[in-house]
Amino acid sequence: KNEVEQSPQNLTAQEGEFITINCSYSVGISALHWLQQHPGGGIVSLFMLSSGKKKHGRLIATINIQEKHSSLHITASHPRDSAVYICAVTTPGAQKLVFGQGTRLTINP
Amino acid sequence: SQTIHQWPATLVQPVGSPLSLECTVEGTSNPNLYWYRQAAGRGLQLLFYSVGIGQISSEVPQNLSASRPQDRQFILSSKKLLLSDSGFYLCAANRQADTQYFGPGTRLTVL
Repeated sequence: KNEVEQSPQNLTAQEGEFITINCSYSVGISALHWLQQHPGGGIVSLFMLSSGKKKHGRLIATINIQEKHSSLHITASHPRDSAVYICAVTTPGAQKLVFGQGTRLTINP
Repeated sequence: SQTIHQWPATLVQPVGSPLSLECTVEGTSNPNLYWYRQAAGRGLQLLFYSVGIGQISSEVPQNLSASRPQDRQFILSSKKLLLSDSGFYLCAANRQADTQYFGPGTRLTVL
């Protein structure tokens, strides 16, 4: 079993829909990261959080430390949001990321 | 913020040929540096990371090696490429436990 699990693996929605991607982890963490990988391969860091909630534009990330669960929400989704969204964690004392398998999101116009 | 440069962007190499991919970092000093690989249709795999000049930790035994000759330079090498080395190679950097910044990547095809 992977230390970081994401669901769903694939998600297709219509423009304007509210999107939720889930991430569960089984290890103690110092931080959780949400990354976005564009079709060309480039990766952008969206959020790094260790508690609570963060918001940036139409993106919201939440984390529940007790339940070892995080969600990434996209409001008013748009075709340009189509990408692979990757959840990753850093464990205490370690510098490296442990990755989930990614969620491929497709937003149709 | 940090800027990560990688080159080349794409590379096609024959099996058995050598490899050298370079990554440089701007906008910070003494960063942690990382090399990741993503095989086609797969997730990211950490290959090497470095917390300082000359300090390299290897995550996966294979025919690749990494070096850090300068504070903000990270090089991925191979003496003889295998077909299985094909993939998308990403360099990343961060300070301490801060968020990681990723380079644009190099797409390597070994024929």
